[in-house]
Amino acid sequence: AQSVAQPEDQVNVAEGNPLTVKCTYSVSGNPYLFWYVQYPNRGLQFLLKYITGDNLVKGSYGFEAEFNKSQTSFHLKKPSALVSDSALYFCAVRDFLGEYGNKLVFGAGTILRVKS
Amino acid sequence: GAVVSQHPSWVICKSGTSVKIECRSLDFQATTMFWYRQFPKKSLMLMATSNEGSKATYEQGVEKDKFLINHASLTLSTLTVTSAHPEDSSFYICSAYLATGETQYFGPGTRLLVL
Repeated sequence: AQSVAQPEDQVNVAEGNPLTVKCTYSVSGNPYLFWYVQYPNRGLQFLLKYITGDNLVKGSYGFEAEFNKSQTSFHLKKPSALVSDSALYFCAVRDFLGEYGNKLVFGAGTILRVKS
Repeated sequence: GAVVSQHPSWVICKSGTSVKIECRSLDFQATTMFWYRQFPKKSLMLMATSNEGSKATYEQGVEKDKFLINHASLTLSTLTVTSAHPEDSSFYICSAYLATGETQYFGPGTRLLVL
């Protein structure tokens, strides 16, 4: 079965420093990977995705992620963190199995706290 | 682009009543929409997959008679929580699948409180 793991419940970083939110995946076949961000009491906002092509994917709000097939990872990164980046981040993988092949399997989520 | 709305954003109801939540894709057509439930500080739990013009597919453990889903058009899906009880209190989030981008876009969520 398709799955993703976010090994850190929380990541703390100082404003202006680079940030990394980790995600590893386990899939059958080629992975379709996604990052979403959730602010308190809101739905999820799409940040970026990897389907094919360049391993370095650039997304919204200055975020990027690197697809690493050998390490089965898709870590989310940003060169310089902002306090406003503080939120809950979800990694997800498309589940090609089952009746409808466009379901998403989510990780447990990682809380990012950026301190000024 | 790819905006999804939900209505209402908040609802408080008495135990035993039914509540309808609407999910709309505002600027694209979605043959597939999804309904999720999220508990505090937890990940999303997929409840059901809604396909336009056909019956919804429910995940294991989700009562189809309690959580009625209708996807009557390419831009609207509804979730009705029937005979709601306090344990149904939760944050319900929908998403709409944009086929051209192979991406789910999420609504802002609906907070349900059953008294």
